[in-house]
Amino acid sequence: KNEVEQSPQNLTAQEGEFITINCSYSVGISALHWLQQHPGGGIVSLFMLSSGKKKHGRLIATINIQEKHSSLHITASHPRDSAVYTCAVISNQFYFGTGTSLTVIP
Amino acid sequence: GAVVSQHPSRVICKSGTSVKIECRSLDFQATTMFWYRQFPKKSLMLMATSNEGSKATYEQGVEKDKFLINHASLTLSTLTVTSAHPEDSSFYICSARDPLAGSAGELFFGEGSRLTVL
Repeated sequence: KNEVEQSPQNLTAQEGEFITINCSYSVGISALHWLQQHPGGGIVSLFMLSSGKKKHGRLIATINIQEKHSSLHITASHPRDSAVYTCAVISNQFYFGTGTSLTVIP
Repeated sequence: GAVVSQHPSRVICKSGTSVKIECRSLDFQATTMFWYRQFPKKSLMLMATSNEGSKATYEQGVEKDKFLINHASLTLSTLTVTSAHPEDSSFYICSARDPLAGSAGELFFGEGSRLTVL
């Protein structure tokens, strides 16, 4: 059983659509990261959350500590949002989700 | 923002040789750095946690003698792949935690190092 479950694994969306990626975890955490990796590119930590909600541009990340669940939302999606998004939780160690490969079609 | 630099970005070596990859935090002191391996089209796999001044903590299944990690200073951690074999070919990534950035420490990633073992 994985400590971090992410869904969906693959997602294709039309430009402009609202996108949600989900992350559920089973361990107690001090923080959760949402990571973005473009094809052939480096990894960027989009958000670090320990509670509530954060917003950066068209990206919104929420976390519910009681339900052990986090979501990453992308509003008005764009082809440049095409990337792999991974959630990672910090417990006594790091646990990673399997990643969601997002493709946004023009 | 904070920057983590990895070097080299690409390295090709012969089977049996050792390769060292450096990870530097450029504008903050990182007491903890992490080393990952990434296979094609797969998520990150945490290999080890590197703590400055102490031994690294390796994840299950990662050979300590194969992947030597040294964190000799607050801004530098190195990963040495010893006696490299073709199956060690992979994308190796480091990250560093800025302890001053939030209670859990903000995490910054290096650009990654592509290792090809011939």
